[in-house]
Amino acid sequence: GAGVSQSPRYKVAKRGQDVALRCDPISGHVSLFWYQQALGQGPEFLTYFQNEAQLDKSGLPSDRFFAERPEGSVSTLKIQRTQQEDSAVYLCASSLSTGVEQYFGPGTRLTVT
Amino acid sequence: AQSVTQLDSQVPVFEEAPVELRCNYSSSVSVYLFWYVQYPNQGLQLLLKYLSGSTLVESINGFEAEFNKSQTSFHLRKPSVHISDTAEYFCAVTPTRDSSYKLIFGSGTRLLVRP
Repeated sequence: GAGVSQSPRYKVAKRGQDVALRCDPISGHVSLFWYQQALGQGPEFLTYFQNEAQLDKSGLPSDRFFAERPEGSVSTLKIQRTQQEDSAVYLCASSLSTGVEQYFGPGTRLTVT
Repeated sequence: AQSVTQLDSQVPVFEEAPVELRCNYSSSVSVYLFWYVQYPNQGLQLLLKYLSGSTLVESINGFEAEFNKSQTSFHLRKPSVHISDTAEYFCAVTPTRDSSYKLIFGSGTRLLVRP
């Protein structure tokens, strides 16, 4: 079956622009996670959804970062007024409601110039 | 809070040689442990996990890891590596009683297999 998909795969934004990154989780997966992976580092947790409810957003680095999952399926991570330090790969993962195992998408590489 | 340490940023090894990638963690609560592999321009793939039971876990492609609670370690080993094993390897933990099972990752170890 289809895995987790993310779009776009690559995004170049000028400093100050807003960007929107999309994640399509595996069908039927209740939990959805966003992670940020800076160059040469491991992924860091940003936020977590269970269905449409955002239950944990403790990892969002600033109020410029916003995530939503309005219908409990597709999720969008929005970054307003992008800064150079936002340059990273943004990974989305999904899992079953009772599952510990997360399935990752290929990521979106964001470059802010 | 939890943290994961992967001391080796890069491990070069010759093909067919054994390899060990080290992972140590810090946590005041019980954790589940994972190894993920990331090939270039791809997402993370679960390699193996420890949830409970036998402390030695194995993957289908010959990797194994052993959970050592007293040393808070979960080192990854393979007795004979292939060129195709060249990738970035990440160790991760999540508290067993976490409501979301969000993962805390180490900084990764790049395994470079040479012919």
